[in-house]
Amino acid sequence: KAGVTQTPRYLIKTRGQQVTLSCSPISGHRSVSWYQQTPGQGLQFLFEYFSETQRNKGNFPGRFSGRQFSNSRSEMNVSTLELGDSALYLCASSAGLANEQFFGPGTRLTVL
Amino acid sequence: AQKVTQAQTEISVVEKEDVTLDCVYETRDTTYYLFWYKQPPSGELVFLIRRNSFDEQNEISGRYSWNFQKSTSSFNFTITASQVVDSAVYFCALSEALKNQFYFGTGTSLTVIP
Repeated sequence: KAGVTQTPRYLIKTRGQQVTLSCSPISGHRSVSWYQQTPGQGLQFLFEYFSETQRNKGNFPGRFSGRQFSNSRSEMNVSTLELGDSALYLCASSAGLANEQFFGPGTRLTVL
Repeated sequence: AQKVTQAQTEISVVEKEDVTLDCVYETRDTTYYLFWYKQPPSGELVFLIRRNSFDEQNEISGRYSWNFQKSTSSFNFTITASQVVDSAVYFCALSEALKNQFYFGTGTSLTVIP
């Protein structure tokens, strides 16, 4: 089975712009979660989607949003980028609640 | 509230030494799940183990072993006869039973010196 894929792998944006990141889960996995990883804050949960519905949400501002499509692929959008949004954004898929999550390679976002 | 503490920020060992990575968690749930992940320099998190709160049996997988003690809220990870390829950041995580929201510790960076 192919693993979790994320595109693009690297992004450079400037403050105020918006960005969309994409994630394709492992085939058959309907749950997709997003995490932000920074040196200062570590790994923080953004949100989780299941069957095109946001099921859980972390403590991030409304500038961070996401969606899931009928094929379980997910996108994450960050609007009005700030310098502090520079991070590695990781997507993970799982087969069910509290199952192990399988992570993609991440998208490294740099905001200048 | 859920919380995972990995007090060891960085550990260095010489190849073939044994090393234990500590993980202490906090939760009010009676049913929960614990995980360990490895993040090598390439950046991709690799799943190592999942353990539910009702299964306190220790587990061994090759050179890896895990010690789950509910009484002390700990889920420690031991690497026996460490190798250079074990160099990575290791994360412990906690998940509630009815959510796919992982709470990660801050990670332990392990360096194995040849």
